[in-house]
Amino acid sequence: RKEVEQDPGPFNVPEGATVAFNCTYSNSASQSFFWYRQDCRKEPKLLMSVYSSGNEDGRFTAQLNRASQYISLLIRDSKLSDSATYLCVVNDRGSTLGRLYFGRGTQLTVWP
Amino acid sequence: DGGITQSPKYLFRKEGQNVTLSCEQNLNHDAMYWYRQDPGQGLRLIYYSQIVNDFQKGDIAEGYSVSREKKESFPLTVTSAQKNPTAFYLCASSIGQGPLYNEQFFGPGTRLTVL
Repeated sequence: RKEVEQDPGPFNVPEGATVAFNCTYSNSASQSFFWYRQDCRKEPKLLMSVYSSGNEDGRFTAQLNRASQYISLLIRDSKLSDSATYLCVVNDRGSTLGRLYFGRGTQLTVWP
Repeated sequence: DGGITQSPKYLFRKEGQNVTLSCEQNLNHDAMYWYRQDPGQGLRLIYYSQIVNDFQKGDIAEGYSVSREKKESFPLTVTSAQKNPTAFYLCASSIGQGPLYNEQFFGPGTRLTVL
C-alpha cells in the first residue's frame, strides 16, 4: 500500500469554480502534512502546510482529519494561474526525521 | 538570495557513462535530499543526508551514489549501473531537525537524458 494516495484527476474546471482535492495517508503516526504545487516541467513548491485545526490562505483551505487519515485542499474562485499539479505530502515520524512521502499528484486545469 | 541551485538544467550523456549532478544550497539547512521524477509519476527518494559526512539510501538508491563533504553541497552521481537513468532529478533541503513542519525546498531540477 502506498504511503500517500490522491485523487488521480485530471480536474478540468472553469474560472471561478470551486474544486476540492482529497488525499489519504497510511501512517497514523505522521505529524507533518503539506500541499505542494508543481507546474509543468518545474520543481514542486510549497503551497501550504496543513495544521490539525485546518487552515486557510486566501482562496485555499486545507483540512486534516486524523481519525480518517485524510487531507483535503479546497480552492475557491479558481484562476487560470491555478492550473498545475497538486501534491499531497506527509512525513513519517516513525522513520528518519525529515523524510517526506509525496503523492503522485492531482492535475488541475482551469479554463476561461 | 537564499536558495537551492542545481546544474546543469539539461544534461545529455551516452549510455555507459557516469554523470554527476550538482546541488548547492545557501539556506544553512542540515538535511538534503535527491529525488527522481518520471513522467506522470510521483517523486521517489534516491538518497538523503541529515548531516555532513552522513547519508542514507532512499527507496531507489541502486545505481546512484552521493557524497556530503560540505553542508551546502550534495552531489549525485548517476552510474552506468543505473538501468534507466533518463528522468527529472530534483534536489531538496530542509532544516532537518524535528518532526514537525519539516517542509522541503526544491531546486529547479536537472533533466537527464541518456542516449
